Amino acid sequence: NAGVTQTPKFQVLKTGQSMTLQCAQDMNHEYMSWYRQDPGMGLRLIHYSVGAGITDQGEVPNGYNVSRSTTEDFPLRLLSAAPSQTSVYFCASSYKRGGVHEQYFGPGTRLTVT
Amino acid sequence: RKEVEQDPGPFNVPEGATVAFNCTYSNSASQSFFWYRQDCRKEPKLLMSVYSSGNEDGRFTAQLNRASQYISLLIRDSKLSDSATYLCVVNLSGTYKYIFGTGTRLKVLA
Repeated sequence: NAGVTQTPKFQVLKTGQSMTLQCAQDMNHEYMSWYRQDPGMGLRLIHYSVGAGITDQGEVPNGYNVSRSTTEDFPLRLLSAAPSQTSVYFCASSYKRGGVHEQYFGPGTRLTVT
Repeated sequence: RKEVEQDPGPFNVPEGATVAFNCTYSNSASQSFFWYRQDCRKEPKLLMSVYSSGNEDGRFTAQLNRASQYISLLIRDSKLSDSATYLCVVNLSGTYKYIFGTGTRLKVLA
């Protein structure tokens, strides 16, 4: 199993550009989520999905869109990049074990917006 | 007040020492608790879930105190490879919302 994979690893965008961060998992997990991590702050939830066709907003959804057409894939779209979106983005997937969801993270995408 | 608070450290300890971290949470509706480990410029990795009765995994022991709303992580016989940032994570009951602390940095010194 590859686990959770993310592409690209690094990306530089100019303000106003759009792009899609890819996330895929091969563990058949129903739950997937996107976080951003900024210095001095904990990981913050952007969007999440509890299954194919179902998505919902997290704590900081503005400026991002998601879709979940398959169990495996959960792409994150930046509509019009802004310098405030410079961050490290982590995708995670999880399954329920013993009544709790244990999350497994991808290696991250480091995004810089100039 | 932050929903999940951790002492940022760093905690500098010699090899073989025992070190403990605490994490406090503010929402009494918190249901599930976790410790994650994050190495520099890497993704968080699940270290252990924290159960009400406390649980142990090798050199690592996690405790939950619901009355005082804190969880703890104890690391015995510290190894150089334990050097990392330890993240406290709380899940709110009935939600898919996971709240991450900012982490406690541990440096184990030779």
